[in-house]
Amino acid sequence: AAGVIQSPRHLIKEKRETATLKCYPIPRHDTVYWYQQGPGQDPQFLISFYEKMQSDKGSIPDRFSAQQFSDYHSELNMSSLELGDSALYFCASSPGTVNSPLHFGNGTRLTVT
Amino acid sequence: KNEVEQSPQNLTAQEGEFITINCSYSVGISALHWLQQHPGGGIVSLFMLSSGKKKHGRLIATINIQEKHSSLHITASHPRDSAVYICAVIGLTGNQFYFGTGTSLTVIP
Repeated sequence: AAGVIQSPRHLIKEKRETATLKCYPIPRHDTVYWYQQGPGQDPQFLISFYEKMQSDKGSIPDRFSAQQFSDYHSELNMSSLELGDSALYFCASSPGTVNSPLHFGNGTRLTVT
Repeated sequence: KNEVEQSPQNLTAQEGEFITINCSYSVGISALHWLQQHPGGGIVSLFMLSSGKKKHGRLIATINIQEKHSSLHITASHPRDSAVYICAVIGLTGNQFYFGTGTSLTVIP
């Protein structure tokens, strides 16, 4: 069965560069969530989308933006990268917003040098 | 203060032991998830609960909405259960996530 696909798996960027992370949800899943997990830290909710509209926002820096496209894939754009942005970025999808099972991608490991 | 608190933070058990991980939350929720994160970082959703109890194999999850508390139980623990277990709740709007601090479980053969 198709799972949530994230790309790239690994990304190395320098400070002040820009990065784009992609998330392809399971087919017919209309909700996407983004999380950030720093080294040795708990996951932090960044942002979520439902039906191509932003539905909620967590601790997402202003330097980050995200959107969900017509095919329901989502992209997280990160600009002016800082060393502290080095983290594992997870995406999860679900077929609805409430009481729906979550399916996680394998994450993108971003390293900022 | 975290909206979701887990205990214990670290747990070491002998193979075969019964394990309980607790989760308390302070916000109104529409659902609660128990997640398992393996050392490589991959996250798997074990359970989604909005009431009562669910069982899957050796895993049992319960939730008490009135007390804002959930527990994850592992019966007959096995070394392959070694992982970080994270409690996550979805807020009433259905979109905001709050994560617990995670419980690092090590099961020794």
